[in-house]
Amino acid sequence: AQRVTQPEKLLSVFKGAPVELKCNYSYSGSPELFWYVQYSRQRLQLLLRHISRESIKGFTADLNKGETSFHLKKPFAQEEDSAMYYCALSGYNNDMRFGAGTRLTVKP
Amino acid sequence: DADVTQTPRNRITKTGKRIMLECSQTKGHDRMYWYRQDPGLGLRLIYYSFDVKDINKGEISDGYSVSRQAQAKFSLSLESAIPNQTALYFCATSERGTLTDTQYFGPGTRLTVL
Repeated sequence: AQRVTQPEKLLSVFKGAPVELKCNYSYSGSPELFWYVQYSRQRLQLLLRHISRESIKGFTADLNKGETSFHLKKPFAQEEDSAMYYCALSGYNNDMRFGAGTRLTVKP
Repeated sequence: DADVTQTPRNRITKTGKRIMLECSQTKGHDRMYWYRQDPGLGLRLIYYSFDVKDINKGEISDGYSVSRQAQAKFSLSLESAIPNQTALYFCATSERGTLTDTQYFGPGTRLTVL
């Protein structure tokens, strides 16, 4: 079965500090993995996807198949990064599974 | 992004009532999805449709049904609402193709079942 686990419901860091949001997945094939973000009073939107290997708003995420992880990282957090972050996996039949989400708060 | 709209935005209803949530999109996407969001559980897929004739059950389809009236419209129905269906419901769309699976979400419908 495909499953996405985000172990931290809440994460708080100070501005300028590094941040890492953890995501682990369970899937027997080759997954497509995503990070979605929901800022306050905005719609859920794609932040990045592993297949693109791009950096968005300073965030990166590396797929580690050995550890079945797709952690989201940013070296210097900004206050505007405060949001709800969801890791998601597209696998069998292209249906999407989301993790429970991590609420990131960046304090000034 | 006004390309994906949901109606109503808020709804309060009573146990046993039939409820329909509607989703429309002007993005021209083939694929449409219905999710529910519950605190601590994230988003869970209810149903998805890859085109008008292709409807698939998601992770939690029991108690729900859907209708894909046209490429642009995908409705979610609760035939007999119950309190544990109180949640925030999201519609989403995506383009066809494995490399363009980005999902575009609607604003959500907050449903309360008393």
